[in-house]
Amino acid sequence: EAQVTQNPRYLITVTGKKLTVTCSQNMNHEYMSWYRQDPGLGLRQIYYSMNVEVTDKGDVPEGYKVSRKEKRNFPLILESPSPNQTSLYFCASSLEAGDGGELFFGEGSRLTVL
Amino acid sequence: DQQVKQNSPSLSVQEGRISILNCDYTNSMFDYFLWYKKYPAEGPTFLISISSIKDKNEDGRFTVFLNKSAKHLSLHIVPSQPGDSAVYFCAAALGSGGSYIPTFGRGTSLIVHP
Repeated sequence: EAQVTQNPRYLITVTGKKLTVTCSQNMNHEYMSWYRQDPGLGLRQIYYSMNVEVTDKGDVPEGYKVSRKEKRNFPLILESPSPNQTSLYFCASSLEAGDGGELFFGEGSRLTVL
Repeated sequence: DQQVKQNSPSLSVQEGRISILNCDYTNSMFDYFLWYKKYPAEGPTFLISISSIKDKNEDGRFTVFLNKSAKHLSLHIVPSQPGDSAVYFCAAALGSGGSYIPTFGRGTSLIVHP
């Protein structure tokens, strides 16, 4: 089954404790991206990757890091989480950038930073 | 500054009637538009799209209309069903040979009453 898998789905952590949210897709997609969803603000892009070893900042990259060492994986790293990073996070992928095609989203990871 | 605006945070419709969700954009370079649907506790899923060379695209009960001169698009759902109750996100992208970084609106929560 074609899917985008995120882990963990739910996480409560404390300020400053490094964490990683993993994202994996099995569709051989080149383009991957991270979004956060906050009430009243919709989906805002954090980082995206056009292909392996190619990443770039989205609209709200502060406090986040990403890496794309393999095509299928695109982890989101919070080196020192803060309460304002409490949010619902979505990973998404698309066949390739520039094809105008649809994004496939994971089921989301709800993160609470105390 | 929001490039994609969904000015109605919520919409309530009776089952069987038409639902019209609106979206405005400011960047005239956008040439591909998409609608995503999101249920609680799930990731957004692609619903329907339209290229800027068209003014209408239809898929079953869902039709998207594009008015380029007004920089406005709308999603029509006819007839509306209770299962259509969800948050709908409008997205716009520079699709044709561009980097395809979709920009999302803040979403409209649709409630269809039985």
